[in-house]
Amino acid sequence: QVQLVESGGGVVQPGRSLRLSCAASGFTFSSYGMHWVRQAPGKGLEWVAVISYDGSNKYYADSVKGRFTISRDNSKNTLYLQMNSLRAEDTAVYYCAKGQQLDVWGQGTTVTVSS
Amino acid sequence: QPVLTQPPSSSASPGESARLTCTLPSDINVGSYNIYWYQQKPGSPPRYLLYYYSDSDKGQGSGVPSRFSGSKDASANTGILLISGLQSEDEADYYCMIWPSNAVVFGGGTKLTVL
Repeated sequence: QVQLVESGGGVVQPGRSLRLSCAASGFTFSSYGMHWVRQAPGKGLEWVAVISYDGSNKYYADSVKGRFTISRDNSKNTLYLQMNSLRAEDTAVYYCAKGQQLDVWGQGTTVTVSS
Repeated sequence: QPVLTQPPSSSASPGESARLTCTLPSDINVGSYNIYWYQQKPGSPPRYLLYYYSDSDKGQGSGVPSRFSGSKDASANTGILLISGLQSEDEADYYCMIWPSNAVVFGGGTKLTVL
């Protein structure tokens, strides 16, 4: 079945970096754009970034532009989010989601930025 | 980025219908965009429900019951999620989303209580 599994979350100090991964299975990964969406504790959904099916186009929310980088490896069916210069306000559950409709979501990985 | 306005809460009784709204800012015409809807229950990732552009261009998520439907009110510049025949399992947070340009925008979410 179609599945997305995030990993790489954890507790990190402000200013440090973290890389999240999203392993995809059950569909032709290389045919779909992919998103990262986050949800701070007790808050709503916040879109983070999107990458086109071939990685040629990438767009970011203003809140992460210049600090986060989305990428993908279609040979490994894996999506990434490199997060640099992390701030306390980046604390959230990070989800990857498939396609234009965001019609499949992973279970999420938790990132906590705290000293 | 535009702000999609959703009422923080709504309630209805089992068997009744719930009408959840998503109002777009005045400079974005609801008639020009797909409106996507997601359901999220506590401790779970969001679930894609459906998208609505027009009566001839709409789509239901995989396994989503037909009692979930979308529409628009052009006079109010609003997208609508209608849930008919409410069940206790429909109690959840509901988010709308649009993709107006190179950034995805989510509404703040509506917490639906089934009384």
